[in-house]
Amino acid sequence: NAGVTQTPKFQVLKTGQSMTLQCAQDMNHNSMYWYRQDPGMGLRLIYYSASEGTTDKGEVPNGYNVSRLNKREFSLRLESAAPSQTSVYFCASSEAGESNSPLHFGNGTRLTVT
Amino acid sequence: EDQVTQSPEALRLQEGESSSLNCSYTVSGLRGLFWYRQDPGKGPEFLFTLYSAGEEKEKERLKATLTKKESFLHITAPKPEDSATYLCAVLAAGNKLTFGGGTRVLVKP
Repeated sequence: NAGVTQTPKFQVLKTGQSMTLQCAQDMNHNSMYWYRQDPGMGLRLIYYSASEGTTDKGEVPNGYNVSRLNKREFSLRLESAAPSQTSVYFCASSEAGESNSPLHFGNGTRLTVT
Repeated sequence: EDQVTQSPEALRLQEGESSSLNCSYTVSGLRGLFWYRQDPGKGPEFLFTLYSAGEEKEKERLKATLTKKESFLHITAPKPEDSATYLCAVLAAGNKLTFGGGTRVLVKP
């Protein structure tokens, strides 16, 4: 039982390059999330998907797009990377319809944009 | 605007030296408060959920309490393996989850 798996673990991009961060969960959760974590700022929500087929913006969506590929997979795309997007990105999932159920996180993707 | 503030930012403890971490919040309509533990290079790991003032939860050397304005995470007789960053997050009306900045705890043997 792997939980939430994120790939890649590390990535270095040049300004203007694009990439997709992958996330998969095997807990049969309906809700999935993308967060970024920056020093001193706490985790901030980029996008979330309450259920398969739906996606919504979070607190900091600019510069990102997401795709809920199926119930298991939720990807995050940077179309034109900027240095301000240097961060650690976490994918998370939670049980369906239970907004007060805890989040289960992956181990993150560390992205550097030069 | 919902705000969650954790203090101190960092805490150095000797093994066995008990202490408390604080999470103060200003949100509209508290629906739940979560505590997570985060090890270096890892994602946050869920510890507790608290729902109402007066509630307490315990797990090994950790005990979380909740009042109307803040939550405390008490670490009793900590061991080096308790070294981690501890995050709190508050769920408010409208299902908005706000994380604090975390407290880095280092327990020295």
